[in-house]
Amino acid sequence: DTEVTQTPKHLVMGMTNKKSLKCEQHMGHRAMYWYKQKAKKPPELMFVYSYEKLSINESVPSRFSPECPNSSLLNLHLHALQPEDSALYLCASSRTGRVNTEAFFGQGTRLTVV
Amino acid sequence: DAKTTQPTSMDCAEGRAANLPCNHSTISGNEYVYWYRQIHSQGPQYIIHGLKNNETNEMASLIITEDRKSSTLILPHATLRDTAVYYCIVRVTNYGQNFVFGPGTRLSVLP
Repeated sequence: DTEVTQTPKHLVMGMTNKKSLKCEQHMGHRAMYWYKQKAKKPPELMFVYSYEKLSINESVPSRFSPECPNSSLLNLHLHALQPEDSALYLCASSRTGRVNTEAFFGQGTRLTVV
Repeated sequence: DAKTTQPTSMDCAEGRAANLPCNHSTISGNEYVYWYRQIHSQGPQYIIHGLKNNETNEMASLIITEDRKSSTLILPHATLRDTAVYYCIVRVTNYGQNFVFGPGTRLSVLP
């Protein structure tokens, strides 16, 4: 089983709303990732968690707030977003953060900010 | 991360082998080469990865040159469902925690 589950699949939110994206895996992976993908562009790394600790933040604005409550779950809390934040948000996990372990991606949450 | 260079797009006839090249001339000794693909509006799918030896799995083969400055992903019998954007990624060694995607190659498998 190499499944990473993301919910919801689609989300529409206003600029004053607060919402959260959820990512779950039950493969025992200890590294989890958030990516953002705009249309016709490659995925861009946002955050990396390793053993439930934030290890990489790629200078992401504070209106995006990640959380890793346990080894199976990764959340992305959204607040006061802008229309340009509309994108496909992808979650991934890998067994460890070591260089020779592959990452598996979820199907993403398509976010529209209105 | 070592920079990778891939052709923007390629075509392949259905049933033929698709050979997707990637240049990574600045790769360091312990950096791995990974290949992913992304079919429209889906999450990226892991294909294969390798360090210096050629690798094969049920999806594809990865051929890495002896100097490790380039590699080729081979889909032996391409089908229409292999139409996707293919990403070649070189993963850093120090932290190894990030997969950084370049623009990739858009492969179109034609009937």
